[in-house]
Amino acid sequence: DSGVTQTPKHLITATGQRVTLRCSPRSGDLSVYWYQQSLDQGLQFLIQYYNGEERAKGNILERFSAQQFPDLHSELNLSSLELGDSALYFCASTPHQGGGSSYNEQFFGPGTRLTVL
Amino acid sequence: KNQVEQSPQSLIILEGKNCTLQCNYTVSPFSNLRWYKQDTGRGPVSLTIMTFSENTKSNGRYTATLDADTKQSSLHITASQLSDSASYICVVSGGSGGSYIPTFGRGTSLIVHP
Repeated sequence: DSGVTQTPKHLITATGQRVTLRCSPRSGDLSVYWYQQSLDQGLQFLIQYYNGEERAKGNILERFSAQQFPDLHSELNLSSLELGDSALYFCASTPHQGGGSSYNEQFFGPGTRLTVL
Repeated sequence: KNQVEQSPQSLIILEGKNCTLQCNYTVSPFSNLRWYKQDTGRGPVSLTIMTFSENTKSNGRYTATLDADTKQSSLHITASQLSDSASYICVVSGGSGGSYIPTFGRGTSLIVHP
């Protein structure tokens, strides 16, 4: 158990809908990262937040958005869902001391499996 | 374009044998390279991380090497166990000051048979 929690574990929805994925980082971790993992693409970095502010951005679609709240939990919002958005979505957190540097070990949550029908 | 290529795509070995997984990258500027182990349906777990100045790093039966000149890394697994069956992912982060722009390989799927 990494100490990172993600909800829900599974999510099934229809095309065109909007969903919100939630992530709680390990206690004391200030950085949260979001990743998408699909069968044909592998893991893709989406976005990173550090202490409430966006720190780095990857290949995140405009239909997707994220935020980190004062209690440090983060939410990933996916809208106008398409079949191709079906994937595993992971969040990860890193220790406070790192300041969000890529050198620090990331602890991954168990993921949310999104299925778009 | 930053890319990370891993080989082989999949590998089957017998328990107790050794194996080596390969990772070639074109990420620039280079910050660090990490190997992850991902069990099916679970989040990745970090095995090793190396910066430009390091050319080898061990974690138990896992030993990673890095040749920054040729932009190649390998992960050697010694005396494999059934629990080593997993996907092994090479991740290279680039950017100045250790900034976080990771590029992931597609992974090598390792199956260890008894």
